[in-house]
Amino acid sequence: GAVVSQHPSRVICKSGTSVKIECRSLDFQATTMFWYRQFPKKSLMLMATSNEGSKATYEQGVEKDKFLINHASLTLSTLTVTSAHPEDSSFYICSASAGGVYEQYFGPGTRLTVT
Amino acid sequence: QQQVKQSPQSLIVQKGGISIINCAYENTAFDYFPWYQQFPGKGPALLIAIRPDVSEKKEGRFTISFNKSAKQFSLHIMDSQPGDSATYFCAASSRGTYKYIFGTGTRLKVLA
Repeated sequence: GAVVSQHPSRVICKSGTSVKIECRSLDFQATTMFWYRQFPKKSLMLMATSNEGSKATYEQGVEKDKFLINHASLTLSTLTVTSAHPEDSSFYICSASAGGVYEQYFGPGTRLTVT
Repeated sequence: QQQVKQSPQSLIVQKGGISIINCAYENTAFDYFPWYQQFPGKGPALLIAIRPDVSEKKEGRFTISFNKSAKQFSLHIMDSQPGDSATYFCAASSRGTYKYIFGTGTRLKVLA
């Protein structure tokens, strides 16, 4: 299957700072990328969908000014958590798709802890 | 209508047994149903997926059974092994958005 990486795998930041998470598709062109959030022992909740070169589409209830998503190339999408607070601590997972298809390939996730 | 209901929440099976996880949906626009396996601290990995034009799909020890009229689908893990101990998620997607709606997850433990 296709390989998707995320960086960093773990990050600890202080409250009020911003943190950027990268999602890369290593062996295919990802026209569409998705960002999910997962709380401990809970399911994956879709935060937003991004298409290369376009603005991301956010799910209801997700603050687009807090969670900035950029999808500037066919292999890279970034999620920036701005002015992070402890309640933003979570496991963030991206997935990549070739676009116009059902299959999504998931990254290994990024554990964000805000102190 | 966008929900996917998954049961049971947790499951304990003896080694060699059959693990069965069920999901149900309401939205008839869903037309792609994947199952994912997730280990702690890792991203989910695709196990098997099915389209509604078939009632069953088998890949190795994993089988999806699909009942379109009942809007239900299930994952069967045959000859369950301790290495299968993980959390399993069903999902549903529809043409156009291709977004996944995930079930609530099932924590499977296979006893050696």
